[in-house]
Amino acid sequence: QVQLQESGPGLVKPSQTLSLTCTVSGGSISSTSYYWTWIRQPAGKGLEWIGRIYISGNTNYNPSLKSRVTISVDTSKNQFSLKLTSVTAADTAVYYCAREGGVEALDIWGQGTMVTVSS
Amino acid sequence: SYVLTQTPSVSVAPGKTARITCGGSNIGSKSVHWYQQKPGQAPVLVMYYDNDRPSGIPERFSGSNSGNTATLTISRVGAGDEADYYCQVWDRISDHAVFGGGTKLTVL
Repeated sequence: QVQLQESGPGLVKPSQTLSLTCTVSGGSISSTSYYWTWIRQPAGKGLEWIGRIYISGNTNYNPSLKSRVTISVDTSKNQFSLKLTSVTAADTAVYYCAREGGVEALDIWGQGTMVTVSS
Repeated sequence: SYVLTQTPSVSVAPGKTARITCGGSNIGSKSVHWYQQKPGQAPVLVMYYDNDRPSGIPERFSGSNSGNTATLTISRVGAGDEADYYCQVWDRISDHAVFGGGTKLTVL
């Protein structure tokens, strides 16, 4: 079955760029049926949708983060990635990658990775 | 930006029915999805397109959506249902997904 796994640094300095990768296993990221999505959750708070990418490269971003976010896909590695620039402590959160399936809902999630922004 | 409003907490006795609501302007015109998140775990999809259950989700879970309120109903609640529940829709105006603030379900 399809599984997603986030990876990347757990600690990022303020003003730097947060970079995370999500590796898809058990299926092809090139499928035309899915969007690939990033979501985050600060400790003790709710979920925040960051953005998504389709295999064509078409992206949608949360307007509140759009100026700092880039999501890209690497089909050769079956991965998609998140870059968030100019981070502050407010960007400290658990970051999840997920698949938006044919039912337009997030049907498969990674386990999440904690990212702390601190000097 | 579209706003979804959820009651922060709901408590229910074991064996009873829990109703978790998600409010939004004319939400009945949108497709609502629901996620269950237990402590330390990733969210799990428990309802999509208002009232469709993914494979493996018990029939005790049902959903409805009309007017300005969508509802996730859990019948015969047990300790294993204790979790945070989030509703989610797609905001077609600004083209992004929106989550509600979440409801913590406590089984007494």
